[in-house]
Amino acid sequence: GEDVEQSLFLSVREGDSSVINCTYTDSSSTYLYWYKQEPGAGLQLLTYIFSNMDMKQDQRLTVLLNKKDKHLSLRIADTQTGDSAIYFCAEKFGNNNDMRFGAGTRLTVKP
Amino acid sequence: NAGVTQTPKFQVLKTGQSMTLQCAQDMNHEYMSWYRQDPGMGLRLIHYSVGAGITDQGEVPNGYNVSRSTTEDFPLRLLSAAPSQTSVYFCASSYSYSPLNTGELFFGEGSRLTVL
Repeated sequence: GEDVEQSLFLSVREGDSSVINCTYTDSSSTYLYWYKQEPGAGLQLLTYIFSNMDMKQDQRLTVLLNKKDKHLSLRIADTQTGDSAIYFCAEKFGNNNDMRFGAGTRLTVKP
Repeated sequence: NAGVTQTPKFQVLKTGQSMTLQCAQDMNHEYMSWYRQDPGMGLRLIHYSVGAGITDQGEVPNGYNVSRSTTEDFPLRLLSAAPSQTSVYFCASSYSYSPLNTGELFFGEGSRLTVL
């Protein structure tokens, strides 16, 4: 099937690192994305990675891409309570900007 | 900047009623789309449009209609609401043809629909 898969829940302590994993489906996807959704709000782009890259770092965020295994991960260093949200992995498919989303990982950060 | 604006934020319908969810964007984006978000299932694409006068079906189009008469507006119509359409609906837009197009979608805040 054509599913983007990610675990539904992750709980960490404030100050720890969080790692959210995702497997995607389309080996021809040019871009892969991480979106963040805070309670009662729409999704906002957190970061993205182009398919010819293995890693992308942006301040506390590190994205790793393993194209062979179709595996994408998001690492948040020094996780803060404000990072508590739902994180969606997504892949672009087709010729337009249609996205295929995972079910979302709910990150809970405990003080 | 307003970005993507959705109305209404909340709506309760009875089975069989019809309604329209409104979506407007002020970023001159060519691409607009509607998703529904259900628990444990992520977002699923309902319909999308790559420009005024052009629409196409996504993954779950049944029971929904769209039109795109202007670049700014992309309404979603429920013709005869069913309980299975209880969901949170998101409108999203993006550039289609910019050289810097990374496909980033800009989302509205969502419309929560309950069908009784």
